[in-house]
Amino acid sequence: QQQVKQSPQSLIVQKGGISIINCAYENTAFDYFPWYQQFPGKGPALLIAIRPDVSEKKEGRFTISFNKSAKQFSLHIMDSQPGDSATYFCAASRDAGGTSYGKLTFGQGTILTVHP
Amino acid sequence: KAGVTQTPRYLIKTRGQQVTLSCSPISGHRSVSWYQQTPGQGLQFLFEYFSETQRNKGNFPGRFSGRQFSNSRSEMNVSTLELGDSALYLCASSLGQNPYEQYFGPGTRLTVT
Repeated sequence: QQQVKQSPQSLIVQKGGISIINCAYENTAFDYFPWYQQFPGKGPALLIAIRPDVSEKKEGRFTISFNKSAKQFSLHIMDSQPGDSATYFCAASRDAGGTSYGKLTFGQGTILTVHP
Repeated sequence: KAGVTQTPRYLIKTRGQQVTLSCSPISGHRSVSWYQQTPGQGLQFLFEYFSETQRNKGNFPGRFSGRQFSNSRSEMNVSTLELGDSALYLCASSLGQNPYEQYFGPGTRLTVT
């Protein structure tokens, strides 16, 4: 019940195209959903995050869409650029205490390649 | 503000040895979480410390331990290293309260031979 399933495993997009990565979760107690971007040799960098009280959040070219009833959320990268080529991870956590403190449950990651 | 720093960045150890990794959080952050990243298992939560207390622990054997100091710096220790412990070890810092945004360091690449 703690899993977060991410798809696709890899994605190839042309420059200027839209990249879409999907995640599904099982634990309905999750209430915080961040996305991280990781370049080779670096730690994951927080990209954008959403909470279940909103259905969409946009920051620049990055948009999270959230469907609470389906227990799914997705990352859309508009006007994808070669510099966006990286591994993207979705994650989920509970803000409440107890066994939730400090714990992010991650998806398996999506390797995005943007061709020039 | 300076980001999360981790030392050392790379480490090679022999099976059976022990290792200590260090993490300095963002100034003002009191929570440090540790994760193990491997190609097969992805990112897995090890434990979290807040104000020198372990508040949460993942499903790892007791060989994995940690601690946090009064300045919020944290260390994790792995004893009796196994080949399967080869991984990127990441620490993340946060305020430890809502919002729970976590900011990761660059990681320590541990290779066990």
